[in-house]
Amino acid sequence: GAGVSQSPRYKVAKRGQDVALRCDPISGHVSLFWYQQALGQGPEFLTYFQNEAQLDKSGLPSDRFFAERPEGSVSTLKIQRTQQEDSAVYLCASSRIAEDYNEQFFGPGTRLTVL
Amino acid sequence: AQKITQTQPGMFVQEKEAVTLDCTYDTSDQSYGLFWYKQPSSGEMIFLIYQGSYDEQNATEGRYSLNFQKARKSANLVISASQLGDSAMYFCAMREGVGDDKIIFGKGTRLHILP
Repeated sequence: GAGVSQSPRYKVAKRGQDVALRCDPISGHVSLFWYQQALGQGPEFLTYFQNEAQLDKSGLPSDRFFAERPEGSVSTLKIQRTQQEDSAVYLCASSRIAEDYNEQFFGPGTRLTVL
Repeated sequence: AQKITQTQPGMFVQEKEAVTLDCTYDTSDQSYGLFWYKQPSSGEMIFLIYQGSYDEQNATEGRYSLNFQKARKSANLVISASQLGDSAMYFCAMREGVGDDKIIFGKGTRLHILP
């Protein structure tokens, strides 16, 4: 398919483990966003890339969260020493650059459960 | 203060009726964009409709229309002739400024369409 893909779809981690979540954006999309969606809430912004440059990481909740997009395509969100409050769905979205309006296309998300 | 407020946690509507989902927003920017997304139980975020702050006409996309009242900072979603498949979570969201940037989501409204 031509949509945004994420892997794994589900991840169970023991508290203290490190996890890595992958996002494959739509081909040719230069912008990539990560959001965190807690149960029963709307998504909350984590970080944003334009190509390989991380332009905004103001939403990352702690220094345990790290994201990269080294070649301007695939992105990885890494969470170190996971805590129970990290349990959430992690959504990735990509978009083309536009002067004004641009639609963000979302992936199916990775549901992370920290025990 | 919340940027996006959705006051209806849940709604029940009879099939084939029209439904209005409320959304108010808060921003001091003159240029901004308003979005509505649908999130079925499968979890993916589906883009429905977009309204730019300078658009004079209300946006429409098939059965979806956005009732944009700028002075009241209101961006309600209207779904005409509701269908069983419309049952889902609906999120109102805003992008402040122009160009490429993060989207701020509301807490959502869960819509149930009754047969």
